[in-house]
Amino acid sequence: DAGITQSPRHKVTETGTPVTLRCHQTENHRYMYWYRQDPGHGLRLIHYSYGVKDTDKGEVSDGYSVSRSKTEDFLLTLESATSSQTSVYFCAISQQGPGSPLHFGNGTRLTVT
Amino acid sequence: AQSVTQLGSHVSVSEGALVLLRCNYSSSVPPYLFWYVQYPNQGLQLLLKYTSAATLVKGINGFEAEFKKSETSFHLTKPSAHMSDAAEYFCANFGSGNTGKLIFGQGTTLQVKP
Repeated sequence: DAGITQSPRHKVTETGTPVTLRCHQTENHRYMYWYRQDPGHGLRLIHYSYGVKDTDKGEVSDGYSVSRSKTEDFLLTLESATSSQTSVYFCAISQQGPGSPLHFGNGTRLTVT
Repeated sequence: AQSVTQLGSHVSVSEGALVLLRCNYSSSVPPYLFWYVQYPNQGLQLLLKYTSAATLVKGINGFEAEFKKSETSFHLTKPSAHMSDAAEYFCANFGSGNTGKLIFGQGTTLQVKP
């Protein structure tokens, strides 16, 4: 999977608790992405990064924050988890951004009870 | 604004039959278009990509897609379906500008009947 590791793979948490998902890459790619996948919605972009400390919002960024302090790590934080954030979260990387294909991790299944 | 529309959330074909999965895009400039496949409980795998070099793009596993600017379409086809092709397929588009945002369609689930 193009050297992408997502952790944890599964997590159950309670409403109102903070949650951090980690994406680690060994490809030294510049771009990193966080998507969520929900039935009937396909994949929706939450945030992406185009370099260390350079990030931008996607379609569904409300309730999420990200950080990228190193090329290899991209963290997604749910400050106060809600049931609507129950989803499968995918991290992806891309070497050059626009025009370059994304390579995906295996996903993190998050359940907020 | 750019978007991707996949027509048909579920497509069912018989083994050996033609597979046709439809994707239409909207964009003000030539797009970068992709098809991805997702097998159950896995991440997404790149099938093929269009980057303006050729209108007919060949991908892995016998799939191909044709870019038709006049129809703003990028439909995915395979001449003969195999049982192993059963999966969810996503069309995606970077659209205009250098935003780096890859936007996905809602996905089409392909069922292959024996």
